[in-house]
Amino acid sequence: DQQVKQNSPSLSVQEGRISILNCDYTNSMFDYFLWYKKYPAEGPTFLISISSIKDKNEDGRFTVFLNKSAKHLSLHIVPSQPGDSAVYFCAASAQGGSEKLVFGKGTKLTVNP
Amino acid sequence: NAGVMQNPRHLVRRRGQEARLRCSPMKGHSHVYWYRQLPEEGLKFMVYLQKENIIDESGMPKERFSAEFPKEGPSILRIQQVVRGDSAAYFCASSPPMRRSQETQYFGPGTRLLVL
Repeated sequence: DQQVKQNSPSLSVQEGRISILNCDYTNSMFDYFLWYKKYPAEGPTFLISISSIKDKNEDGRFTVFLNKSAKHLSLHIVPSQPGDSAVYFCAASAQGGSEKLVFGKGTKLTVNP
Repeated sequence: NAGVMQNPRHLVRRRGQEARLRCSPMKGHSHVYWYRQLPEEGLKFMVYLQKENIIDESGMPKERFSAEFPKEGPSILRIQQVVRGDSAAYFCASSPPMRRSQETQYFGPGTRLLVL
């Protein structure tokens, strides 16, 4: 039972354009969401997070949007750069439980020069 | 300001041997988490520890796997009598002792375990 789903295994965009990565979740108890970026043979690197009391959080080129009614969040990267090419993981944690993160399977982003 | 450290980075074991994976959290962090990533999969939670306490081990296999985070020293994930299915990347993460509503976990580089 996959509680966090990233339905696009891969995404390819042109340098300078917008990258939109999507994530859906099923557990209504999730109240904190994070995006991590991962290069091969490295650990995930924290990118940006959002609490369920917000619907948007922005940090430089990265913006995360949360739609609680649809149980959907998205990560926007604009403008996209070749160095953004990596696997992006969406993760969530639930109130009232331990601090464990539930991850999606990831989306491999390729930004072409 | 060193990040989360894990060693070894690569570990090769034969079936039936023991594997010990070490994790040193970031300075000031007292919460440690272990995750496992199988090929083409996301990271799966295994265990959450604070100093000398296991808080949540709901993701740990019932047998052969154990974890500890002693008062002094790194956290250890121990896999006894390894099997080929244990081959995976094992990641450790740490977070500071703060209110959970704004908690962020920071990951180490991982240990890639290969069981022959």
